[in-house]
Amino acid sequence: GAVVSQHPSRVICKSGTSVKIECRSLDFQATTMFWYRQFPKQSLMLMATSNEGSKATYEQGVEKDKFLINHASLTLSTLTVTSAHPEDSSFYICSAGLARSGLYTDTQYFGPGTRLTVL
Amino acid sequence: AQKVTQAQTEISVVEKEDVTLDCVYETRDTTYYLFWYKQPPSGELVFLIRRNSFDEQNEISGRYSWNFQKSTSSFNFTITASQVVDSAVYFCALSELLFRAGSNSGYALNFGKGTSLLVTP
Repeated sequence: GAVVSQHPSRVICKSGTSVKIECRSLDFQATTMFWYRQFPKQSLMLMATSNEGSKATYEQGVEKDKFLINHASLTLSTLTVTSAHPEDSSFYICSAGLARSGLYTDTQYFGPGTRLTVL
Repeated sequence: AQKVTQAQTEISVVEKEDVTLDCVYETRDTTYYLFWYKQPPSGELVFLIRRNSFDEQNEISGRYSWNFQKSTSSFNFTITASQVVDSAVYFCALSELLFRAGSNSGYALNFGKGTSLLVTP
């Protein structure tokens, strides 16, 4: 159980184009989904937190207009990198929170990641 | 502020050796969770363990064991009789509860920088 999928797994695009990445929780409903970014040989950095039906909350330094997040249902969140540039090339990983008890999600299950390369 | 420190950047061991990955954390929260994740070369993060701040019992799962000590703010991870398949980057993470106005948010993870473990035959 607790499987999270991400699509696409790898994308190469030209500078200036927009790229959409989908994150789905396959066998559970996720109240909260998180988006992380990981540069080579570095740790994961939280970009934003999204709750179904409400606006995403972005971490300091992350441009809202650049990284559009939509959390339309309890099983799907999307991240759109708008007008991508080479510096946006990175490994993007989503996670879905599984609530084991009470109100809050306390364990995150991660998708397999999307490797974005902007030429 | 919260911080997770994994002082070991890279560790190399020979198969069958035991290896301990260190994790030290800082938090002002009284309620928090600690995690270990494994990231093999494929990139996917694999959940290994979750421990809440009120449960200091050590845990063993097969060749894996975890030692949580609040007194030293450490949550170390030991692999006994290491195998080549254990080669990966291991991340320790600390979660803080997010209270966002009008929403049920949950826990965001603050990751350490990771320890790259190489197990050679």
